[in-house]
Amino acid sequence: GEDVEQSLFLSVREGDSSVINCTYTDSSSTYLYWYKQEPGAGLQLLTYIFSNMDMKQDQRLTVLLNKKDKHLSLRIADTQTGDSAIYFCAEKDNQGGKLIFGQGTELSVKP
Amino acid sequence: DAGVIQSPRHEVTEMGQEVTLRCKPISGHNSLFWYRQTMMRGLELLIYFNNNVPIDDSGMPEDRFSAKMPNASFSTLKIQPSEPRDSAVYFCASSLTSANNEQFFGPGTRLTVL
Repeated sequence: GEDVEQSLFLSVREGDSSVINCTYTDSSSTYLYWYKQEPGAGLQLLTYIFSNMDMKQDQRLTVLLNKKDKHLSLRIADTQTGDSAIYFCAEKDNQGGKLIFGQGTELSVKP
Repeated sequence: DAGVIQSPRHEVTEMGQEVTLRCKPISGHNSLFWYRQTMMRGLELLIYFNNNVPIDDSGMPEDRFSAKMPNASFSTLKIQPSEPRDSAVYFCASSLTSANNEQFFGPGTRLTVL
């Protein structure tokens, strides 16, 4: 079945770049997403990428997609303490509207 | 728009009691999703609706769980009887359509079953 895997924790220093990685199994996924969850809050969509793209940039965020390896990454440039949160990778189930989420990566940004 | 509204924000109940969680999706959104988040299992989709009709309830844990969407602006998730292992944060999300990219999440209901 479909599965999305992420590492659980990442710690970086303020000002450094953060790279959060994700692997997925459904090669027919048309959309892949990154969501952010701050403490005590729901998930918020950060960005998404179509499967026919290999890169998407949005201000400090860069998404890279390697479709051959089914690998997705999110790079946050100049990471700030406000970026501390849990980041979820998700793929879209092409048989319906549901999203399959990874376990989430907890990003800790140290001053 | 106020976004997706969920109530209550926190619920503490005793094992065996009935629990009802409520959700108001964003006006005009036709798809509604119920998720459960725990440390052990992460974020799980329980059920989703398109145009008030349940489409996929394969994630509903067991018969103790039921969900309804009587109209486009309201949905409930009911647990009867509740058990301690149901303790989790329950999120409701909505999107314009099931094909639409972005799901908007509510703030969640933190349920504790003693």
